[in-house]
Amino acid sequence: TQLLEQSPQFLSIQEGENLTVYCNSSSVFSSLQWYRQEPGEGPVLLVTVVTGGEVKKLKRLTFQFGDARKDSSLHITAAQPGDTGLYLCAGEYHAGKSTFGDGTTLTVKP
Amino acid sequence: GAGVSQTPSNKVTEKGKYVELRCDPISGHTALYWYRQSLGQGPEFLIYFQGTGAADDSGLPNDRFFAVRPEGSVSTLKIQRTERGDSAVYLCASSLGISGTDTQYFGPGTRLTVL
Repeated sequence: TQLLEQSPQFLSIQEGENLTVYCNSSSVFSSLQWYRQEPGEGPVLLVTVVTGGEVKKLKRLTFQFGDARKDSSLHITAAQPGDTGLYLCAGEYHAGKSTFGDGTTLTVKP
Repeated sequence: GAGVSQTPSNKVTEKGKYVELRCDPISGHTALYWYRQSLGQGPEFLIYFQGTGAADDSGLPNDRFFAVRPEGSVSTLKIQRTERGDSAVYLCASSLGISGTDTQYFGPGTRLTVL
């Protein structure tokens, strides 16, 4: 079973601070997704990274896929209360099959 | 357009009963996935369909779980002889294809509680 470990599990910061969430595995993934999930809703895709070393930016969010395609990070610059939520990473290890991390619950205080 | 819908949104049942959970995917999406999400955990893959056939059901925990998609659109996840450990949110997602670059769109889930 492919495992994805996310850290930290919980993160509480003040508005305007920067933060990084990590997603690590010993397995190689063909692609990796980052999702955000709100209470009572399903996850919503933020980004997909495919190439080792790839960096993608989405406004204040920067996503990086490790060179070996085993790990990834999500960096948020100048966090805002609207960024509050559960962030999940998911690694595709076989066509149609992905393993998810257990998520990082982010709270941004105004 | 309409997203993925799941019914019911909540289901409370007693241990040993049979339940059916329904998923209506986005029109035109050939791939459909079922996941289970327990409290404090990420979604866990159960099964996915391409068209009408179950392409991979390796995530189903045991033979009490079964899913169908008879016409390649709506899918039903069936759980027999429910156990308290089956309590979780069951998520459905659909996508155009099964590539990792095909965005999976998730429904809001069905919260199953087994008493």
